[in-house]
Amino acid sequence: DQQVKQNSPSLSVQEGRISILNCDYTNSMFDYFLWYKKYPAEGPTFLISISSIKDKNEDGRFTVFLNKSAKHLSLHIVPSQPGDSAVYFCAATWFTGNQFYFGTGTSLTVIP
Amino acid sequence: NAGVTQTPKFRVLKTGQSMTLLCAQDMNHEYMYWYRQDPGMGLRLIHYSVGEGTTAKGEVPDGYNVSRLKKQNFLLGLESAAPSQTSVYFCASSKTTGAAEAFFGQGTRLTVV
Repeated sequence: DQQVKQNSPSLSVQEGRISILNCDYTNSMFDYFLWYKKYPAEGPTFLISISSIKDKNEDGRFTVFLNKSAKHLSLHIVPSQPGDSAVYFCAATWFTGNQFYFGTGTSLTVIP
Repeated sequence: NAGVTQTPKFRVLKTGQSMTLLCAQDMNHEYMYWYRQDPGMGLRLIHYSVGEGTTAKGEVPDGYNVSRLKKQNFLLGLESAAPSQTSVYFCASSKTTGAAEAFFGQGTRLTVV
């Protein structure tokens, strides 16, 4: 049973516009959430994270929003750049947990 | 800074053959993980380790074994490879899971024919 879900397999956005990637989770124990970026033939790399005590975390062009009541998080990329074209995975865990749970990924294409 | 290094990067096996994938990390991390990535399935956890000498099953452990004899190394073994094990395998390590990210290796593309 998939505890972390990314329901959009792909997303296309024009360069300079906002990209919004969504993620839903089912386990209310999760209290730490991460986004990873993956280029072809490379391993995933960490992008940004958020703990459940916050509802927003920013790092440059990347912002993650967390809605605990809806069990939903989103990653906003503003402005989107062609180099952002990659597969994005969201992941979740809890502070006393011992593994990460990953979504199925969303392939983002930023069109120049 | 090597980070997490996986060996080999590519391998083709015949059904029934065995092999070991090696993962090495130089960050002194306690936690190490083996994932497989398949189209439409995301990253699924095979086995993980919370410290030297310990291992535990993840979501899809069948057909795999692991060992963590040294803190920096985490080995994934396939005793009798099957075509269903054709996948891209990623090793990762982390300081903890609670408030720290995992660092991934570059992946091993395994094809079982």
